[in-house]
Amino acid sequence: DAGVIQSPRHEVTEMGQEVTLRCKPISGHDYLFWYRQTMMRGLELLIYFNNNVPIDDSGMPEDRFSAKMPNASFSTLKIQPSEPRDSAVYFCASSLQVEETQYFGPGTRLLVL
Amino acid sequence: SQQGEEDPQALSIQEGENATMNCSYKTSINNLQWYRQNSGRGLVHLILIRSNEREKHSGRLRVTLDTSKKSSSLLITASRAADTASYFCAPLGAQKLVFGQGTRLTINP
Repeated sequence: DAGVIQSPRHEVTEMGQEVTLRCKPISGHDYLFWYRQTMMRGLELLIYFNNNVPIDDSGMPEDRFSAKMPNASFSTLKIQPSEPRDSAVYFCASSLQVEETQYFGPGTRLLVL
Repeated sequence: SQQGEEDPQALSIQEGENATMNCSYKTSINNLQWYRQNSGRGLVHLILIRSNEREKHSGRLRVTLDTSKKSSSLLITASRAADTASYFCAPLGAQKLVFGQGTRLTINP
């Protein structure tokens, strides 16, 4: 299996622009998680899905952030409009069950200027 | 908060020595997981210990769990340069993992 795939790996954009991050989970995994990692706040869970349905989005910082999972093999995290404080590494992870091992993607390093 | 808190925040040892990292949490858990993150990379799962287990081994890794003290430890024996990384504990409660700030481990040659 190729593991969790994220794209792009790096994104540099200007404040106010829309940013879309993409994730392909491991085939057969029913759970998908989006995390954000910064030096100041560490690794934060933003949202997670079960069978394509959002279960807990309490970590989504504000309305500028949205996440979708249109099918079992694809999810997006969108930031519109982006701000410099959104600069971080965004990770996607997937798992078979919520209480089991999570497999992380390589992350998308986002820089908002 | 369910968040795991690792101690120490940073640890520097000589290659070949053992490294011990500790984790504390505040509420009841279903299991506790340890992950490693190399610089600039994603997290890699190391070991999962369930709430009814007290100790678990995987290669050079040994994890203990004391639910009465709400604490866990990760021991890496015979450390190698390649073990240099950040290590995170993640207690699982309320159906989600909450990661701490991690322990930054440096193995000196």
